[in-house]
Amino acid sequence: SQTIHQWPATLVQPVGSPLSLECTVEGTSNPNLYWYRQAAGRGLQLLFYSVGIGQISSEVPQNLSASRPQDRQFILSSKKLLLSDSGFYLCAWSLSVGRSDYEQYFGPGTRLTVT
Amino acid sequence: AQSVTQLGSHVSVSEGALVLLRCNYSSSVPPYLFWYVQYPNQGLQLLLKYTSAATLVKGINGFEAEFKKSETSFHLTKPSAHMSDAAEYFCAVSPSNTGKLIFGQGTTLQVKP
Repeated sequence: SQTIHQWPATLVQPVGSPLSLECTVEGTSNPNLYWYRQAAGRGLQLLFYSVGIGQISSEVPQNLSASRPQDRQFILSSKKLLLSDSGFYLCAWSLSVGRSDYEQYFGPGTRLTVT
Repeated sequence: AQSVTQLGSHVSVSEGALVLLRCNYSSSVPPYLFWYVQYPNQGLQLLLKYTSAATLVKGINGFEAEFKKSETSFHLTKPSAHMSDAAEYFCAVSPSNTGKLIFGQGTTLQVKP
């Protein structure tokens, strides 16, 4: 069966510090991968998605970047955090693109607080 | 562009009462629609999905949703609420052949004893 891991689970970082959040998927190959942010009281905002190694699409301009160094590893980074980067970050995977009826499977999330 | 609107950011029901969470979509083509549930400080879990096979879709935990093209709606229902149903619920639509999901703003369901 497939599983998705995210770490760390919680993180408190000062403004201006770097960020690295990691997501890994097990039990499947060549998944589509997604990073979402969920701010307090708001819905989910898609930040990045990837259809393969080194292939990253950004959905919104922002202070964050993403990388996919391996097939089942997705990393969210920032060089300098802003207060507005605080939120709940969710990683998700789905079967490969080409169909729209594939559901996404979500990880447990990382709670990021920027102080 | 496709979009999803969830009517009511908070819904409160008594235990044993009917649960109705509303979702309307905007799409120029037949959409694929999803309902997800999120418990506090957890990821999202798929409740059910509509992929045009049947207009009434049954999901996990006793939930179901009916696709109504004429009303562009995909409301989520459960005949009898349990305390464990208290969570946030998200409706989502999938644009054609992208694999991406567009989420509504979410509805928080409160279940009172």
